[in-house]
Amino acid sequence: DVKVTQSSRYLVKRTGEKVFLECVQDMDHENMFWYRQDPGLGLRLIYFSYDVKMKEKGDIPEGYSVSREKKERFSLILESASTNQTSMYLCASSLGAGGVSYEQYFGPGTRLTVT
Amino acid sequence: GDSVTQMEGPVTLSEEAFLTINCTYTATGYPSLFWYVQYPGEGLQLLLKATKADDKGSNKGFEATYRKETTSFHLEKGSVQVSDSAVYFCALSDRGGSYIPTFGRGTSLIVHP
Repeated sequence: DVKVTQSSRYLVKRTGEKVFLECVQDMDHENMFWYRQDPGLGLRLIYFSYDVKMKEKGDIPEGYSVSREKKERFSLILESASTNQTSMYLCASSLGAGGVSYEQYFGPGTRLTVT
Repeated sequence: GDSVTQMEGPVTLSEEAFLTINCTYTATGYPSLFWYVQYPGEGLQLLLKATKADDKGSNKGFEATYRKETTSFHLEKGSVQVSDSAVYFCALSDRGGSYIPTFGRGTSLIVHP
């Protein structure tokens, strides 16, 4: 059974802290994605990566950075957490160029609260 | 650019009622189409997909047909259950271009006993 795991389901951090969200997939997928989900706004793409050490900005990259040192792991970093980054964070992965339908597989999400 | 429009919710139904959630799309290429479901407190999971015109995707009693002439991919179920209460997302991936899918805003479904 394919699986995407995220390091925490719930996280509470203080304003100004550096926050790391980890995501691991076991499907040997080339592509990995970080989204945030907020009520009424749907899914918004923060960053994605199509290969190890490669990254591309999504729609809302400000205040975030990412790291992909290994194919199976994609980390989202909040350099200095702020209250407006309180949200549900979803990681996803998908096949790369060889795939046909590019369906995504999602992790369970991390609900981050910044106080 | 690509876009997906789905009906706003919440959709509120009684158990065993018929469900339709409308989804229309615009795409520059020849997309694959998807429905994802998100149960409370969880991530999204793929519900069904269709990769070419007139394909019908189906799973767990849900189905949707890829209609190229009307650029639609409406989700239907003949008899909903309380356990179907969730948020449903329509999405497309344009195989000729980006790896990044385009999602609709999501439609919340609430099923009452």
